[in-house]
Amino acid sequence: EPEVTQTPSHQVTQMGQEVILRCVPISNHLYFYWYRQILGQKVEFLVSFYNNEISEKSEIFDDQFSVERPDGSNFTLKIRSTKLEDSAMYFCASSESRRVGGYTFGSGTRLTVV
Amino acid sequence: AQKITQTQPGMFVQEKEAVTLDCTYDTSDPSYGLFWYKQPSSGEMIFLIYQGSYDQQNATEGRYSLNFQKARKSANLVISASQLGDSAMYFCAMKGDFNKFYFGSGTKLNVKP
Repeated sequence: EPEVTQTPSHQVTQMGQEVILRCVPISNHLYFYWYRQILGQKVEFLVSFYNNEISEKSEIFDDQFSVERPDGSNFTLKIRSTKLEDSAMYFCASSESRRVGGYTFGSGTRLTVV
Repeated sequence: AQKITQTQPGMFVQEKEAVTLDCTYDTSDPSYGLFWYKQPSSGEMIFLIYQGSYDQQNATEGRYSLNFQKARKSANLVISASQLGDSAMYFCAMKGDFNKFYFGSGTKLNVKP
């Protein structure tokens, strides 16, 4: 079964450092997403990406965050200057279309900011 | 506004018994999907079951079934014959015409031997 692959599975970074979380979506999918889950809390939408541009973003997704699809396979989330409160699990997801089903989550990257 | 409510922060069930995890939702979208995910302590989100708003029959996937009551806006997950490996967090989620998920706050299920 096709998978969304996220690397690394766990990243520890110093406060103020830049971090890039990487995702390889399913190859024929066109829509890409990032979600965040702070420890013990619900999963929250960050951003959706389609046709090489952001289609929607939440209020969490401020100027410190950016997304990119640098080549035909990767989809990245960059946090420019990490804060302690950025510590969370970050999930990438992709979907083939906007239809209600057909959505696949990656296994997540646990980001710890120290 | 879209909203998912899970009112059970924690549940206990005896191994081999059935358990129902509650989920109610609110949406103005005419078409939407309801999902349940399992999150073990390792953190990944494991898809369990999906119900489309226009599906006439309740969804089933192995030991998982979704008790969908559209008029009451509820989408409860039923796990039959609980196993020790079912101990995890369970999240109900909804996706509508827009292309993002709304998640509930989760229910932590503990299966007792």
